[in-house]
Amino acid sequence: QSALTQPASVSGSPGQSITISCTGTSSDIGGYNYVSWYQQHPGKAPKLMIYDVSNRPSGVSNRFSGSKSGNTASLTISGLQAEDEADYYCSSYTSSSTVVFGGGTKLTVL
Amino acid sequence: QVQLQESGPGLVKPSQTLSLTCTVSGGSITSGGYYWSWIRQHPGNGLEWIGYISYSGGTYYNLSLKSRVIISVDTSKIQFSLKLSSVTAADTAVYYCARGEGIRGYWIFDLWGRGTLVTVSS
Repeated sequence: QSALTQPASVSGSPGQSITISCTGTSSDIGGYNYVSWYQQHPGKAPKLMIYDVSNRPSGVSNRFSGSKSGNTASLTISGLQAEDEADYYCSSYTSSSTVVFGGGTKLTVL
Repeated sequence: QVQLQESGPGLVKPSQTLSLTCTVSGGSITSGGYYWSWIRQHPGNGLEWIGYISYSGGTYYNLSLKSRVIISVDTSKIQFSLKLSSVTAADTAVYYCARGEGIRGYWIFDLWGRGTLVTVSS
């Protein structure tokens, strides 16, 4: 199972919106609405931000939103804040009943 | 409040078996219908799911690691373990234990340990 494809880096200024893409195949992202997104600050454990494509766990800011079209999922962060600077990973359930992650995207807040 | 904590040797020799334990404080592995996974992160790289053990003891592994992995639950029911055999330098990574949602799906990791670095070197 190949890793999902994410851009290595994205950047934005405070207050702006950014979108991170995550591309898979019909065997993972395209086949199921089981995409999750995780935020990871340096030296910290990942934190669940989005599950089932667009659902936010309790306590996660509504500035974070998720969507999916075909084999590509997206995470959008609106009203960018300095604290959003982190690595972001997507993941998906697969047709093999396993879990596959993306390679990660480093978000820089300018 | 449930917390996870990984423990185990930080250095393993090539060809040996990597053994890690995850302690679940504030809860039990067999209650709540959760799935308990191991996930690793190679230095500077993305995340890789290793496998899970369910609240009922069932296991499922990443196909690429299946021949070398065993995940088990300690009789105390508050610890679960990872054994990865025949390790090489490619197994050097930060290893995380994580809790998967029982109802919404074991692929949703809502709780993570802080991770432990394991280096494979002679």
